[in-house]
Amino acid sequence: RKEVEQDPGPFNVPEGATVAFNCTYSNSASQSFFWYRQDCRKEPKLLMSVYSSGNEDGRFTAQLNRASQYISLLIRDSKLSDSATYLCVVNIRQKYIFGTGTRLKVLA
Amino acid sequence: NAGVTQTPKFQVLKTGQSMTLQCAQDMNHEYMSWYRQDPGMGLRLIHYSVGAGITDQGEVPNGYNVSRSTTEDFPLRLLSAAPSQTSVYFCASSLTAGVDEQFFGPGTRLTVL
Repeated sequence: RKEVEQDPGPFNVPEGATVAFNCTYSNSASQSFFWYRQDCRKEPKLLMSVYSSGNEDGRFTAQLNRASQYISLLIRDSKLSDSATYLCVVNIRQKYIFGTGTRLKVLA
Repeated sequence: NAGVTQTPKFQVLKTGQSMTLQCAQDMNHEYMSWYRQDPGMGLRLIHYSVGAGITDQGEVPNGYNVSRSTTEDFPLRLLSAAPSQTSVYFCASSLTAGVDEQFFGPGTRLTVL
């Protein structure tokens, strides 16, 4: 079983829609959690860190559920520019482990 | 600040050749790491370093060596290239290992024939 799992998608949604991604992790020793965004053939860039209390940054909301070992990302009012691959990252004992990513396509 | 730089951007090797992928950061980050990204596989950790003189293996270390003689540089060596090492390689750094954001270099696209 992979340490960090994501649905690869693609998620095709119309502009303005709300979309949610989940990511599960298997190691309860996981210490910190992140969502990164990756555009085609580019390097990943941090979208947001995920805190135990949940956190919001504009249209983006991230949640952590330690009991069920998953993190989520909610995108409200999707824009065409949100089309990208979203990578879930978990830090386990000094190692940053990536999920395979979820592709999002926002359609006009 | 240049951030994280990687050279070369593109490289073609023949099977059995060796080469070094360069990575440097100017942010005084303690933690550096190397990943490879293959289609449908996400980023997989090759090696990482929590500080100068300290390196450790990640998920897929076979066929690769690293060293960390300075805080700034973290080169990745391919000892004897194989077609299975055809991939995009990303170097990243963060202030420490743990809660800090990682910053990535632009990547090196390597093809092994």
